[in-house]
Amino acid sequence: EIVLTQSPGTLSLSPGERATLSCRASQTVSSSYLAWYQQKPGQTPRLLIYSASSRATGIPDRFSGSGSGTDFTLTISRLEPEDFAVYYCQQYGYSLTFGGGTKVEIK
Amino acid sequence: QVQLQQSGPGLVKPSETLSLSCTVSGGSSSSHYYHWIRQPPGKGLEWIGFLSYSGSTNYNPSLKSRVTISLDTSKNQFSLKLSSVTAADTAVYYCARDGGAFFFDLWGQGTLVTVSS
Repeated sequence: EIVLTQSPGTLSLSPGERATLSCRASQTVSSSYLAWYQQKPGQTPRLLIYSASSRATGIPDRFSGSGSGTDFTLTISRLEPEDFAVYYCQQYGYSLTFGGGTKVEIK
Repeated sequence: QVQLQQSGPGLVKPSETLSLSCTVSGGSSSSHYYHWIRQPPGKGLEWIGFLSYSGSTNYNPSLKSRVTISLDTSKNQFSLKLSSVTAADTAVYYCARDGGAFFFDLWGQGTLVTVSS
């Protein structure tokens, strides 16, 4: 099973700042099968990025994904108030796993 | 607009079988893969398994012995059964549609299932 480790666990930032979230895999992950989600309290996860760098429908361009192999990054260029949430990465290889999540909180 | 509507009991007794359904409305279930995912209270997401439009399945190895996902095309509905549940199976259960490369572009509303006597 491929383990995804997200860091940091919590990111404390102010609106307008740049957020960089890391997702590191225990084995090589196909970029085609790496996705990112946003989840707010009490809500269903929302797809942000698929295939490592493709934005999902309706996702603002301040969200971007990059990376390959075992290291992937989600970047939020300028945080808006509605971006404070938990973010998960997810991969599919033989099996499908999620990272443990990064909480982006208001500083 | 395609929606996923979940149904099923919110309380299951230990050792019994958890059963949930997910109805695809506003579209056909015959051209996508569908997944079940769960999230224990206050914790992260765990994939349970998927069902392809041809009826093939793939399950999380840690749950494989207890999980069955099936499809009823006549009802545009797919179902989850998880047997021999314990308190550790208490979670919000989600159904989700595969967007084509094993990511989830459409989610059900979630069902909190509590395992308790």
